Amino acid sequence: GDSVTQMEGPVTLSEEAFLTINCTYTATGYPSLFWYVQYPGEGLQLLLKATKADDKGSNKGFEATYRKETTSFHLEKGSVQVSDSAVYFCALSPNAGNNRKLIWGLGTSLAVNP
Amino acid sequence: GAVVSQHPSRVICKSGTSVKIECRSLDFQATTMFWYRQFPKQSLMLMATSNEGSKATYEQGVEKDKFLINHASLTLSTLTVTSAHPEDSSFYICSARDRDLGTDTQYFGPGTRLTVL
Repeated sequence: GDSVTQMEGPVTLSEEAFLTINCTYTATGYPSLFWYVQYPGEGLQLLLKATKADDKGSNKGFEATYRKETTSFHLEKGSVQVSDSAVYFCALSPNAGNNRKLIWGLGTSLAVNP
Repeated sequence: GAVVSQHPSRVICKSGTSVKIECRSLDFQATTMFWYRQFPKQSLMLMATSNEGSKATYEQGVEKDKFLINHASLTLSTLTVTSAHPEDSSFYICSARDRDLGTDTQYFGPGTRLTVL
């Protein structure tokens, strides 16, 4: 079945460091791909998404490119800030089925130190 | 836009009581809402999918008689935890999909922290 695999955390970085959080997926067809972020004590927020191959989603300095050939959707940011400390979830939505349930990765915790 | 609210944000109850959690889409109509449960330091577990005007679809292993879901309108879904026990203590999150946009994007509520004593 469909699945999402994220790199395990926690990830600890210094402010202004480069961030990569790996995400790979297994799915039939052409799913939509998402990154959600959960800040401490808050609910999930959509960070960015991509709906077809080679699309690049971007928001708040974060980027991720939908790579069909490597079945990946890695999250990157060139210079992280303390305020980026959160848990990041990669998810996919299959391209079939009426309800299109999201398939979730386990989440990667990011801590950015000043 | 695309705001989803949940109420209450926190609830503490005694074992054996029932608790109702509301999920509302504030600025859009949602034919489909999802209910999740999140354990500490773990990913989200989908409990059920709620479609307006019809019965919810529960995931395997989720007791439908314990977790009652009602989606009576296009902007409101409720989750009732019946006869709650300490093991039901968790963070419950709802999400909603915008009917008019017809996209795969789900918008999440801020979550409800349930503590059963």
